[in-house]
Amino acid sequence: QVQLQESGPGLVKPSQTLSLTCTVSGGSISSGDYYWSWIRQPPGKGLEWIGYIYYSGSTYYNPSLKSRVTISVDTSKNQFSLKLSSVTAADTAVYYCARDRVGGYGMDVWGQGTTVTVSS
Amino acid sequence: DIQMTQSPSTLSASVGDRVTITCRASQSISSWLAWYQQKPGKAPKLLIYKASSLESGVPSRFSGSGSGTEFTLTISSLQPDDFATYYCQQYGGPFGQGTKVEIK
Repeated sequence: QVQLQESGPGLVKPSQTLSLTCTVSGGSISSGDYYWSWIRQPPGKGLEWIGYIYYSGSTYYNPSLKSRVTISVDTSKNQFSLKLSSVTAADTAVYYCARDRVGGYGMDVWGQGTTVTVSS
Repeated sequence: DIQMTQSPSTLSASVGDRVTITCRASQSISSWLAWYQQKPGKAPKLLIYKASSLESGVPSRFSGSGSGTEFTLTISSLQPDDFATYYCQQYGGPFGQGTKVEIK
């Protein structure tokens, strides 16, 4: 049973870089059958797709966040990571990582989510 | 950029009701659409992929249809466990704003 777990600081100062890691257990991140995604949800609001990475390192980002987002993968640690630069209060959200099945089969495994607050 | 618009934003219904949620894409996305259910404080759960394929383990009262720019999620007989917020998503792209299904 594949499980995903987000980790990282819960508090980030404005203008700094938010950094989160998602650890994959029970399966290999190097499987060619999946993209590895980040999604966020501001308090009381809807879901926003941030982007995904393939095990090879290929990435695809939400155009509205593309200038500030970097997603990377470390296959040796079975982890993938999110960096979001120049954060503001608007980046305060629950951040989820998820496994996205290649070919349009949807995000079938999600982490529990981690809350990140941007505040001085 | 493609935008996804759901309607209604909120839906009040009773146990046993047939419920339909609509999702419209600003341009054609073929059948590249998924539906998710989210309960408060929990991660979303995949219900439907490729517009009409039921995810394994999801009750058959859930169904999806549509292609191109207009899609629907139908719950044939609403159960107590179904009161939640539902989101559509273009595959590898934006979510709709969500539809909250409330108890009438």
